[in-house]
Amino acid sequence: GEDVEQSLFLSVREGDSSVINCTYTDSSSTYLYWYKQEPGAGLQLLTYIFSNMDMKQDQRLTVLLNKKDKHLSLRIADTQTGDSAIYFCAETPRGGSQGNLIFGKGTKLSVKP
Amino acid sequence: DGGITQSPKYLFRKEGQNVTLSCEQNLNHDAMYWYRQDPGQGLRLIYYSQIVNDFQKGDIAEGYSVSREKKESFPLTVTSAQKNPTAFYLCASRLQADTEAFFGQGTRLTVV
Repeated sequence: GEDVEQSLFLSVREGDSSVINCTYTDSSSTYLYWYKQEPGAGLQLLTYIFSNMDMKQDQRLTVLLNKKDKHLSLRIADTQTGDSAIYFCAETPRGGSQGNLIFGKGTKLSVKP
Repeated sequence: DGGITQSPKYLFRKEGQNVTLSCEQNLNHDAMYWYRQDPGQGLRLIYYSQIVNDFQKGDIAEGYSVSREKKESFPLTVTSAQKNPTAFYLCASRLQADTEAFFGQGTRLTVV
């Protein structure tokens, strides 16, 4: 079935790296996304990776994709208190029943000073 | 500026009333979505529309209705049949499959 799994919570200290993991189910997904949600707000796209890539780096963000294991991770280097938010991964399976956009439940990242 | 706008930001509803949440986009996107967000539940799909005058139920459509008369607009009505409507509602749009989704800022609905 269509399901995207994430752990619900992650706590790190300011300045450390954060790694948020996600597993997805549909190998036909062409793009995989990471979104950030701050309290009381909508979701903002952080980054995305095309399925034929295994890594993408964008400033403090590194996305790793293991297509064989259907595992996606988001690494945030030098985590700051402003990074505290909920992070969602999303896949875009072809022929999906949800309009081709499926989200995980979100990982709440807490950054301690 | 192009974007997707939800209104109102906060909405209070008395039990037994229908209320309509607005979602408008000027991004020329074909697909639009409504999600409900509850603490610890992530995003649950209510309805989506991939083209004007057509829409499909998502996982939790009961007690909700939508219309898509114009490409720019996808209003959501929360009817009195929805037993637990208090939640944060998010609208999103996409140009087409395999493109990123853009989200509105959400509407927080509270039943009083």
